[in-house]
Parts: sequence; structure tokens; C-alpha cells
Amino acid sequence: KNQVEQSPQSLIILEGKNCTLQCNYTVSPFSNLRWYKQDTGRGPVSLTIMTFSENTKSNGRYTATLDADTKQSSLHITASQLSDSASYICVVRGSDNNDMRFGAGTRLTVKP
Amino acid sequence: NAGVMQNPRHLVRRRGQEARLRCSPMKGHSHVYWYRQLPEEGLKFMVYLQKENIIDESGMPKERFSAEFPKEGPSILRIQQVVRGDSAAYFCASSPLAGTTDTQYFGPGTRLTVL
Repeated sequence: KNQVEQSPQSLIILEGKNCTLQCNYTVSPFSNLRWYKQDTGRGPVSLTIMTFSENTKSNGRYTATLDADTKQSSLHITASQLSDSASYICVVRGSDNNDMRFGAGTRLTVKP
Repeated sequence: NAGVMQNPRHLVRRRGQEARLRCSPMKGHSHVYWYRQLPEEGLKFMVYLQKENIIDESGMPKERFSAEFPKEGPSILRIQQVVRGDSAAYFCASSPLAGTTDTQYFGPGTRLTVL
């Protein structure tokens, strides 16, 4: 069973609308959690990183939250744009430097 | 500063042939990671290398797969006697350090298709 579960698997929204993507994890002990954006045919690009003590982090129109107690994170996208169409991947890092667990991603499509 | 470069971007091989995937990390980065992404699945860690050394290969199949990161030149992921199940996107990432909060910068990937 994957230690990082993302939902929904895919999402279609209209341009200008907001959306929230979810990530639940069981990785323990926990070091940090990142959200990556992966455009079709490209490698992932880091959006945010949060450690245990951080519960929110913003990067422009992207805001990530973390509840380390319930092992849940969310990525909120405000005023979506067509260029937001991509896969959003939640990556949780354990205490071992090489212990990175990738979620399967949420495929977001923003339509005009 | 150019990003992580991978080549070829697309590679087609017949069953039984060898596939060589190259990764040039960002300038100044001495840590390289290889990942495999199957269709509709998340990335899976394969191997972590630091110049001339394999640090962690726990995610790499024991047979047919090998990786190197020589003192000079790109990192190479080599797959011998490819099978259809090897068809996937292979991503390389690099980082300047190996701390848990250090960002890994990903290349564009190599899409391997085995006929």
C-alpha cells in the first residue's frame, strides 16, 4: 500500500475558480512534505516544502497546509489559470535522506 | 545555469536490446537520483549516486539495471536486455547537497518504449 495517498485522482475546473487537492500519508518518522507540479512531458518542479513545525506555506496562488498530527496536507490553488493544468504530486520525506515517498498525483485540468 | 539535462528524450528499443539513459546534473550539483514513472503511477525511487559512488540502490532491480556517475561526464542509467515492462518515463534529479530539506531539481525525463 502506498504510504502517500492523493485525492482526487483527477479534477476539472473552470478558469478563475479555486480548488483544493488532498494528500494523506503514513510515512513515519516524518521529515518534510513537498508539493510538486509536473507539466505533461516535463519533470516535476517543487512548489512548496513544509517541515513538521510548519502548518502553512504559500507560493503565489498556491497555498499548502500541513497537519502533522492527522498526517494530512492540502494544496489550495486560487484563481486558477489555464497554465495550472498539470499533475500535482505530494512527496513525503522520512527521516532517512533517501526515503522519499511519492503520491500518484492529482491530474488538474483548467478549462476556459 | 542550465537545468538538469537528460538525453535522449525518447528512446525506442526492441526486446533484448540495451538502453542507455544519460543525465547531466545542474552545475555544482554532485548528488544524482534516478526515478521511474509508470503510466498513471507516481515516481518510484531507483538509485542515488554521488560522484563515483552509489549511495543507495535499494529501489533498483537487482538484474539488468545498473547506474554510474563517473568523475567526468553524465550519470548513466543502463538497462540490459530490455523487456516490455521496462517501458516508462525515467527521471533524473540532482541536488547540491543531500540534506532532507534540499530541493531536488528534476530533468525532463527520458521516455523509454520497448517494442
